[in-house]
Amino acid sequence: GDSVTQMEGPVTLSEEAFLTINCTYTATGYPSLFWYVQYPGEGLQLLLKATKADDKGSNKGFEATYRKETTSFHLEKGSVQVSDSAVYFCALSDPGSGTYKYIFGTGTRLKVLA
Amino acid sequence: DVKVTQSSRYLVKRTGEKVFLECVQDMDHENMFWYRQDPGLGLRLIYFSYDVKMKEKGDIPEGYSVSREKKERFSLILESASTNQTSMYLCASSLFGQGALETQYFGPGTRLLVL
Repeated sequence: GDSVTQMEGPVTLSEEAFLTINCTYTATGYPSLFWYVQYPGEGLQLLLKATKADDKGSNKGFEATYRKETTSFHLEKGSVQVSDSAVYFCALSDPGSGTYKYIFGTGTRLKVLA
Repeated sequence: DVKVTQSSRYLVKRTGEKVFLECVQDMDHENMFWYRQDPGLGLRLIYFSYDVKMKEKGDIPEGYSVSREKKERFSLILESASTNQTSMYLCASSLFGQGALETQYFGPGTRLLVL
């Protein structure tokens, strides 16, 4: 079945460092891919998404490119801030599966130090 | 502004109690979802509903039931709470369709402790 694998955390960076959080997927069809972020004490909110191969999603300085050849959707940011400290979830939705389901990764906790 | 609300942020219950978790969305969304979030396991789907009175099991429905009598409200019921149901419960909604292009909007979560 479909699955999402993302890098283990926690990831600890200094402010203004470059961020990469790896995400790879397996899917039977042509999924849409998402990054959600969960700030402390809150629910998840959509950060960015891409619906087809080679699409780049971007928001708040974060970006991720849908790479079909490597089945990846890595999250990047050029210069992180303390306020980016949160848990990041990679997810996919596969219409070919015939359901309304999202498949989420296990989450990667990011801690940014001032 | 999009809003999903959950009835409680924190809840403490005893083993064997019947527990109701309520979720309300004000966006006229067709689809609603209940997840539980546990460290190292990410989000796991318990149940979802794509219409009033319609429901489908997710990946871990055992020990849970749901109710959707009105479009805006989706309730999760623990018939007889057990300690292994201690978790964070997240409700979400999305507009329509098979979810591929639809953003899910999440509530703030209910942290349930079963003693």
